[in-house]
Order: sequence, then structure tokens, then C-alpha cells
Amino acid sequence: KNEVEQSPQNLTAQEGEFITINCSYSVGISALHWLQQHPGGGIVSLFMLSSGKKKHGRLIATINIQEKHSSLHITASHPRDSAVYICAPLGNQFYFGTGTSLTVIP
Amino acid sequence: GAGVSQSPSNKVTEKGKDVELRCDPISGHTALYWYRQSLGQGLEFLIYFQGNSAPDKSGLPSDRFSAERTGGSVSTLTIQRTQQEDSAVYLCASSFVSWDTQYFGPGTRLTVL
Repeated sequence: KNEVEQSPQNLTAQEGEFITINCSYSVGISALHWLQQHPGGGIVSLFMLSSGKKKHGRLIATINIQEKHSSLHITASHPRDSAVYICAPLGNQFYFGTGTSLTVIP
Repeated sequence: GAGVSQSPSNKVTEKGKDVELRCDPISGHTALYWYRQSLGQGLEFLIYFQGNSAPDKSGLPSDRFSAERTGGSVSTLTIQRTQQEDSAVYLCASSFVSWDTQYFGPGTRLTVL
């Protein structure tokens, strides 16, 4: 059983497109991380949020605790956004989605 | 040193040997986490330290795995009698307090032959 479901698993977009990655979870959580893993393997934390919405540059993350759903949006996508994006809800255990592999084509 | 550092960056060992992986968190961060990522797989939580509290070991896959954090700073993950299925990238992260933004190290790639 998967406590965390991400969609889509793979996504190819044209440069400039608006991108949405979704994360649904079935467990009670206190917060949720969105992580970015580049092809070289390094992991960067993009957002940690427990309610509402956060924005950083072209990235926006939203969460609806009641619906157990979070989304990551990328506006005006760029090839350097190509990476795996991982949803990581924090509850009484550590959970991770399997990731969404994003490729942005110039 | 601004970020989380890990050593070694790569480790190749023979099945049955013990290995130690080191993590230096960001200075002042009270929480430290160990994860692993097997080839083509997602992240897997291993163990979590918060200050002087007893660590959360719920993610350790077997009793061959152990970790300690000395002086609330440096942490060592030890794998005894390594098996081929232990081959993975072992990642360390730290955060200022629990449930805060985590900063990841570059990882140690462990290969067990």
C-alpha cells in the first residue's frame, strides 16, 4: 500500500509551459516537503509547508490538509527545471512519493 | 563550511565487511536524518536524531544498521556485515529544528561487491 501517490510519474514539457505535479497522501501529517533531485543526484528542499500556499520565484506549492493533497507548480518552465520532484509528507513517520521525472525541452 | 558534508563520497566494499559513513551537519542544526536511495528507487528513511532525545530508529532495515550522533553534531552510520542489497546512496540531511526545512548532503555511494 502506498501512503503517498504522485502524478504524473513522468512529464515532458516544452520550455515556457506551466507545469503541475500532484501529491496525494493517506496519512495524517504535520507538514509536507517538496524536494528536487537533479540528474547528478543532489537533493534540494524546495518548500516545507503545513497550510496554504508558498511561492519562491517561479515555483508555487499549495497544500490542502483536509483533502490530503498538495501541488507543485512551475511557471514559465525552463530546461534547468529538469529534475525529479519528490513529495515528502511528514507525519509520525517519514514518507516519500516515488517522484515525478520532469524533462523540459528547449 | 555552509552545507551538510558527507564522507566518503564513494565506498566500495566486499560482502561481509563493516562500513562507516560520516555526516557533518550544518552548525547549529539540532535535527539530523539519514536516508538511503537504492538504484532506481525512491528515498527511504533510516534514522532521525533530534537534540539529545533518543533517536527514531524505526526506518533501520535490520540490526546490522546502527547510527550515533556524538556531541549533537557529527553522525556516523555503521553497517555491519554488509550485503549486496545494502548498495545504495546514503544521504544525510539536517534541519534547525524538527519538521523544519531539511538540507541534504551530497550522499555516499556504497557499493557492496
